[in-house]
Amino acid sequence: GAVVSQHPSWVICKSGTSVKIECRSLDFQATTMFWYRQFPKQSLMLMATSNEGSKATYEQGVEKDKFLINHASLTLSTLTVTSAHPEDSSFYICSASSGSGTGELFFGEGSRLTVL
Amino acid sequence: RKEVEQDPGPFNVPEGATVAFNCTYSNSASQSFFWYRQDCRKEPKLLMSVYSSGNEDGRFTAQLNRASQYISLLIRDSKLSDSATYLCVVPRGSARQLTFGSGTQLTVLP
Repeated sequence: GAVVSQHPSWVICKSGTSVKIECRSLDFQATTMFWYRQFPKQSLMLMATSNEGSKATYEQGVEKDKFLINHASLTLSTLTVTSAHPEDSSFYICSASSGSGTGELFFGEGSRLTVL
Repeated sequence: RKEVEQDPGPFNVPEGATVAFNCTYSNSASQSFFWYRQDCRKEPKLLMSVYSSGNEDGRFTAQLNRASQYISLLIRDSKLSDSATYLCVVPRGSARQLTFGSGTQLTVLP
């Protein structure tokens, strides 16, 4: 079946640095990918919708200049957390839809970011 | 009112028990509904879709009550492996953007 892969699965960085997370659809083309964030003991919250070849659409309250999204190809979307701070520490998860049939969504394995 | 609201949990039940989770949603125009399960520190995985007439998949039964904007998940004959957080999910429009409930944690005890 379709698989979505994220990398890295976990990352620790110093405050003020930038971190890039990749989301790849391995055996299907994903025109649209979605980025979620999950803080401990909370549910997943949609951050942004990533559209191939165009600008991402951000949810209210999500800073687009802080969370840079690039969706340059049909199989890859990247999320860059710029100037990360401890409050950005979270579990970041992407999802993608093949857009065919039932359009089932597939989730990446998630990337756990810890900012020191 | 939250877009998707779930039982607060946690639920601790013995093996073999039957347990039910409830979920309410605020958008009466919502057309599709899902239950996902999420294991600790893992991504959510689709457990089952919820159909208007209710549907069953083995030990799992999902029900939808549109009039009350209410969804339920029933797990019969609980197994240790059912221990997880169960997420009620409602897509937003047709854009495949998902709104997740806060989740209900289930622990099945031996």
